[in-house]
Amino acid sequence: QKEVEQDPGPLSVPEGAIVSLNCTYSNSAFQYFMWYRQYSRKGPELLMYTYSSGNKEDGRFTAQVDKSSKYISLFIRDSQPSDSATYLCAIPQGSSASKIIFGSGTRLSIRP
Amino acid sequence: GAGVSQSPSNKVTEKGKDVELRCDPISGHTALYWYRQSLGQGLEFLIYFQGNSAPDKSGLPSDRFSAERTGGSVSTLTIQRTQQEDSAVYLCASSPQGTLNTEAFFGQGTRLTVV
Repeated sequence: QKEVEQDPGPLSVPEGAIVSLNCTYSNSAFQYFMWYRQYSRKGPELLMYTYSSGNKEDGRFTAQVDKSSKYISLFIRDSQPSDSATYLCAIPQGSSASKIIFGSGTRLSIRP
Repeated sequence: GAGVSQSPSNKVTEKGKDVELRCDPISGHTALYWYRQSLGQGLEFLIYFQGNSAPDKSGLPSDRFSAERTGGSVSTLTIQRTQQEDSAVYLCASSPQGTLNTEAFFGQGTRLTVV
């Protein structure tokens, strides 16, 4: 079993829709959870990070962690064509984050 | 520069040749990571540096792969006797330190094609 699993998509939704992106993980000891966004032919950039369980909101983006089911989600409200990218969940490992484990990424396309 | 810089941006090499990929991290960042991303795949961890030492090199796929970092700054990833399966985008990232809630800033990657 992979440590972090993510549906690769692709996912295509109309502009303005609410998007839900999800990952599952295997190790209940994980505490920090991140979402990175990667545009085509660019390096990933950090979108959001959360600690432990609960929700974190930043503008149109909400990150949610459910540690009981080892499930993390990223919600995008009022999706825009500029949100079209690959979204990767990521989990740091080790006491000093010597390794960040990434999901395989979900390719998202927002149709105008 | 302001961001992580990688060179070359593209590299085509013949099978069996050696290649060197370079990463210039953000100034002052002590942590440096190398990842590999194959077509349609997620990021595969290769190696982590803290300063000039590599406490975690568990992701290097074979002894053909090596990396070094000098002066706590520039890092070079070397692939010897390249194989076609080495074709991928090699991404470098740096962060102020390897703390859990610190962003790792990525370069744009080196796209390696082995023919």
